[in-house]
Amino acid sequence: EVQLVESGGGLVQPGGSLRLSCAASGFTFSSCAMNWVRQAPGKGLEWVSYISSSGSTIYYADSVKGRFTISRDNAKNSLYLQMNSLRDEDTAVYYCARDLGLSGWRYFDYWGQGTLVTVSS
Amino acid sequence: DIQMTQSPSSLSASEGDRVTITCRASQSISSYLNWYQQKPGKAPKLLIYAASSLQSGVPSRFSASGSGTDFTLTISSLQPEDFATYYCQQSYTTPRTFGQGTKVEIK
Repeated sequence: EVQLVESGGGLVQPGGSLRLSCAASGFTFSSCAMNWVRQAPGKGLEWVSYISSSGSTIYYADSVKGRFTISRDNAKNSLYLQMNSLRDEDTAVYYCARDLGLSGWRYFDYWGQGTLVTVSS
Repeated sequence: DIQMTQSPSSLSASEGDRVTITCRASQSISSYLNWYQQKPGKAPKLLIYAASSLQSGVPSRFSASGSGTDFTLTISSLQPEDFATYYCQQSYTTPRTFGQGTKVEIK
């Protein structure tokens, strides 16, 4: 059974840092690209970042570029999001999502339960 | 960035109703369009990928169509468990933008 379990969320002051983790199981993690997606309270979904299976290709949303860093450790079946210079508007539930591609089509077929990040003084 | 616009933003419907949600892309995305369902306090769930392909395990009352810039998601006979928020997402290019969501509520 595919499982994605996020951790590391919490309350942080503006300008602070936080590192999120996503522990993967039930599939060959090293073969799959991964994403972080966030959802501010009462709002819609916002894609945050993508990392390829090897980690060689990385993309960020403009809203987090230069402040967030995505990474992975395939030996530990884990995905990470280092978040620096946090702002009030980064407050959200952060989901990790597996990025599956079949015959060229790409979609997020499994999602974690999410971890809440609250940026507030 | 490609903008995704869903309509309506919300709708009220009764059990057994046929419901249609539309999604429009700001430029052509071929069939690189996915649909997700999200219930309160839960993670999104993939329903449809590649514009019209039903994800494994998703009931056949869900269907979708479209290509280019205009897409639809249809629920043929609304069930109690279908009351949720639905999002479209383009996977044509990065950033993989989502629509703003359509909340399906009980009438």
